[in-house]
Amino acid sequence: RKEVEQDPGPFNVPEGATVAFNCTYSNSASQSFFWYRQDCRKEPKLLMSVYSSGNEDGRFTAQLNRASQYISLLIRDSKLSDSATYLCSYSGAGSYQLTFGKGTKLSVIP
Amino acid sequence: EPEVTQTPSHQVTQMGQEVILRCVPISNHLYFYWYRQILGQKVEFLVSFYNNEISEKSEIFDDQFSVERPDGSNFTLKIRSTKLEDSAMYFCASSAFGGEKLFFGSGTQLSVL
Repeated sequence: RKEVEQDPGPFNVPEGATVAFNCTYSNSASQSFFWYRQDCRKEPKLLMSVYSSGNEDGRFTAQLNRASQYISLLIRDSKLSDSATYLCSYSGAGSYQLTFGKGTKLSVIP
Repeated sequence: EPEVTQTPSHQVTQMGQEVILRCVPISNHLYFYWYRQILGQKVEFLVSFYNNEISEKSEIFDDQFSVERPDGSNFTLKIRSTKLEDSAMYFCASSAFGGEKLFFGSGTQLSVL
């Protein structure tokens, strides 16, 4: 089983739509979780950390479900500038290594 | 806003040659990393570095790879004898805490011919 699985997409959504991505992970000892966004041929940029209690940053909401071993990202009121690949990642207990998924590609269409 | 800087942005080399990729992490960060991304593939961990020594490394990081922090600001990745399969984008990253909230540089695109 892959360490981190994400639907590769692409998700093509109109401006203003709400879109949700899920990511499943296999390592039950995973400690910290993050969503990054990556524009084509650019570096990953930290979008937000993910907590069990859920956290929100403007139009973005992230959620962690440890029992089912998945994390989610919800984007409301999509903007053209949200078009990117969204990477989920985690680090394990006592490890500094971030494990990334292959990413989910989002295209927001005018 | 502080950022991680990497040089060069592109490096072309012949198979078997040595390359050194350079990075300047964010100044108050203590943890440094190298990752790579082959075109169309996921971002892969190579090595983490803390307190002037390697803290973790992946299977990719074999004897051909080494890292160094030669002074208080630079962090380098050396590939001793490059192979065709080393062609990738190499990202340096740093963080204030281990494995938490990594900030990535803009990468060095390495092409091995």
